[in-house]
Amino acid sequence: GAVVSQHPSWVICKSGTSVKIECRSLDFQATTMFWYRQFPKQSLMLMATSNEGSKATYEQGVEKDKFLINHASLTLSTLTVTSAHPEDSSFYICSARDPQRKADEQFFGPGTRLTVL
Amino acid sequence: DQQVKQNSPSLSVQEGRISILNCDYTNSMFDYFLWYKKYPAEGPTFLISISSIKDKNEDGRFTVFLNKSAKHLSLHIVPSQPGDSAVYFCAARVTGTASKLTFGTGTRLQVTL
Repeated sequence: GAVVSQHPSWVICKSGTSVKIECRSLDFQATTMFWYRQFPKQSLMLMATSNEGSKATYEQGVEKDKFLINHASLTLSTLTVTSAHPEDSSFYICSARDPQRKADEQFFGPGTRLTVL
Repeated sequence: DQQVKQNSPSLSVQEGRISILNCDYTNSMFDYFLWYKKYPAEGPTFLISISSIKDKNEDGRFTVFLNKSAKHLSLHIVPSQPGDSAVYFCAARVTGTASKLTFGTGTRLQVTL
């Protein structure tokens, strides 16, 4: 149980285009999902907390107009990187919290590798 | 400001021996610590955690030790197995922050035959 999927697993796009990444909890309902970004040889950095039915909470330094998050259902959150630029190239990982389990336990998706040319 | 640090980017251990992965933190408000294991092209998977009210937590081959005064925790794996080869992240949380985790940079463990 507690499986989280992401789609796509990798994407290459041209500079200036927008890319949408989906995060799904497959066997549980996730009221809260988290979006992380990981640059090479660095730690996972929390970008935003996504709550179902409400606006996402962004971490300091993360542009909410550039990284649009939508958590429209209890099993799906999307991250849209708008007007992507090469510096947005990174590994994006989502996680979901199962409210039926311990509050500290997050289940992570496999990640999405974004390359902006 | 890296609040959670893993100063060893890599570690190589022989199969059957003990692996010790270290983690230091600077934020004294952290009160819950977790270790995650990550294989390439996969998301991190939860391994073991410890609350700040404890100094040790054991689960099978994995034991986490917490030294609050030194702001240091370590993960011991014994005996190490080739399948343990992965990147290990420690993470920390402050109670009441809606499960927000602060991660270290990771340590790549290689268990050799």
